[in-house]
Amino acid sequence: EAEVAQSPRYKITEKSQAVAFWCDPISGHATLYWYRQILGQGPELLVQFQDESVVDDSQLPKDRFSAERLKGVDSTLKIQPAELGDSAMYLCASSLLLAGYEQYFGPGTRLTVT
Amino acid sequence: KQEVTQIPAALSVPEGENLVLNCSFTDSAIYNLQWFRQDPGKGLTSLLLIQSSQREQTSGRLNASLDKSSGRSTLYIAASQPGDSATYLCAGLDNYGQNFVFGPGTRLSVLP
Repeated sequence: EAEVAQSPRYKITEKSQAVAFWCDPISGHATLYWYRQILGQGPELLVQFQDESVVDDSQLPKDRFSAERLKGVDSTLKIQPAELGDSAMYLCASSLLLAGYEQYFGPGTRLTVT
Repeated sequence: KQEVTQIPAALSVPEGENLVLNCSFTDSAIYNLQWFRQDPGKGLTSLLLIQSSQREQTSGRLNASLDKSSGRSTLYIAASQPGDSATYLCAGLDNYGQNFVFGPGTRLSVLP
């Protein structure tokens, strides 16, 4: 069964350092999402891609976060510099198309900033 | 801004019980709705998706319904099992947006 892949699964970094997460969506899925989930809360959307284009990044803290999906397949989310408040689970999801198609999630990357 | 609440926040039941989890949206204009389960420290697993033209979906012991007039959804779990223990999250897509807004989840414990 096709799955969304993410790496690394866990990342510990010191504040002010740079960190990057990688996501490979299910093959053929045009839409890719990055979410941040703080413990005890639901995921919050950071950025949404349709193929290689950004559809929504209104909740992405652009002073320190960046995301790209250069060839419309896999994607990288970067934080520079990391802050203590960035400690969270970062989840990637994909769906066949936009507007309400079923979303499939990867296992997530647990980030701890010390 | 769309906000989602889930009641109860936590639930503990003995094995075999039928149970209902609730999800409600401040804006009832929900295009479609998806229920997920999340095991501790893991990603989300899709359970059911209710499309815009539907009112409910069923998969095995799970049944989800959506009342668009009130913006409320329920997830019914029949004959609960210890393996059902997880956090259950609902997410709704409004008619104006292109992304899901998640509830905080209901943490379910099914005791053997």
